[in-house]
Amino acid sequence: AQTVTQSQPEMSVQEAETVTLSCTYDTSESNYYLFWYKQPPSRQMILVIRQEAYKQQNATENRFSVNFQKAAKSFSLKISDSQLGDTAMYFCAFMTAGKSTFGDGTTLTVKP
Amino acid sequence: GAGVSQSPRYKVAKRGQDVALRCDPISGHVSLFWYQQALGQGPEFLTYFQNEAQLDKSGLPSDRFFAERPEGSVSTLKIQRTQQEDSAVYLCASSILDGGIQPQHFGDGTRLSIL
Repeated sequence: AQTVTQSQPEMSVQEAETVTLSCTYDTSESNYYLFWYKQPPSRQMILVIRQEAYKQQNATENRFSVNFQKAAKSFSLKISDSQLGDTAMYFCAFMTAGKSTFGDGTTLTVKP
Repeated sequence: GAGVSQSPRYKVAKRGQDVALRCDPISGHVSLFWYQQALGQGPEFLTYFQNEAQLDKSGLPSDRFFAERPEGSVSTLKIQRTQQEDSAVYLCASSILDGGIQPQHFGDGTRLSIL
């Protein structure tokens, strides 16, 4: 069974600064995908960034980037130039064969 | 439609009643997923369809939970003889292809409260 652990229940960052959210996972699968999702207070989950496990290059999406360490089973999210609109709950997710496993989330607050 | 639509947005039922939750995926999306999200936790996988075929139902908590997608589009999650521990937000998501790196598009969810 897959498990996903987000060890930081809550984090805060000043506007325009950089913050890193951590995620570790455990699996025996070799072919899988990793995602970060954002869930604002309105509740709809939105994809932030995705990574194929077979790719060594870290994914980037504008201000969002990941540090994927496959051997360590670590998948952290870095948010640069934080904006007030980044305030949300962030979920790390692991997917294989159509089935997703989510962590319990990190609540990020961006302070003005 | 523009996105995944779920109805009702809120549902209150008495313990022991049956409930049905509806999900309208994005048109043309092959895959459809149901999740249960308890307060303050991440979504828990319930079941997954590819077109009308239910490929994985390993996450359904008990035989009181039943999901269907008879025509490969709209899906219904039914919970029979509801219990208080069924109270949660039920999320539906769809993706254009079967799993993989294709992103899932989520609906707003149905908040179910069992009294």
